[in-house]
Amino acid sequence: DIHMTQSPSSLSASVGDRVTITCRASQIISTYLNWYQQKPGKAPELLIYAASSLQSGVPSRFSGSGSGTDFTLTISGLQREDFATYYCQQSYSNPRTFGQGTKVEIK
Amino acid sequence: EVQLVESGGGLVKPGGSLRLSCAASGFTFSDYSMNWVRQAPGKGLEWVSSISITSDYIYYADSMKGRFTISRDNAKKSLYLQMNSLRAEDTAVYYCARGDWFDPWGQGTLVTVSS
Repeated sequence: DIHMTQSPSSLSASVGDRVTITCRASQIISTYLNWYQQKPGKAPELLIYAASSLQSGVPSRFSGSGSGTDFTLTISGLQREDFATYYCQQSYSNPRTFGQGTKVEIK
Repeated sequence: EVQLVESGGGLVKPGGSLRLSCAASGFTFSDYSMNWVRQAPGKGLEWVSSISITSDYIYYADSMKGRFTISRDNAKKSLYLQMNSLRAEDTAVYYCARGDWFDPWGQGTLVTVSS
């Protein structure tokens, strides 16, 4: 199984900050990497697919990069509605493992 | 509007069974693989199972193999998860999600396994 490790597990940031979350796969997954946002009490929503493709309707302040084993989700200019938990997931093989999540909190 | 609506959750005793359903609308259901993902209270996301368009390919997480069965009915635009031999650790919100990129997700249905 491919293990996904996110860092940090949580972070505190202010509105307007640039935030970076990293995700590392235990083996090479090319660009088969997706990012999801989950707000409390809600279902997750797809932000980025194939490592760097922005899902329709997602604000352009979200961006993704990386390939192989190391990936990054960047939020450029954090907005109040971005405070949430973010998960990476590999879609290279089954089981489709998720990272443990990164909670972005208000400083 | 693309929509997924789960149902069938509830309280069940350890060792019991439950069948979850996911009703799809707003898209051609038979064009997409489908997935189940669960989330225990206060925990992260855990992939449960995936099924291909024609049900030829089915995958399960190791902890669910032999206890859970995923299926679909393309004519009814519905996805199912039969869960047997339930354990306390199966307590979670269960979500269905569409396609390879898990988009969108349903609102989830809560399964509580407790005596």
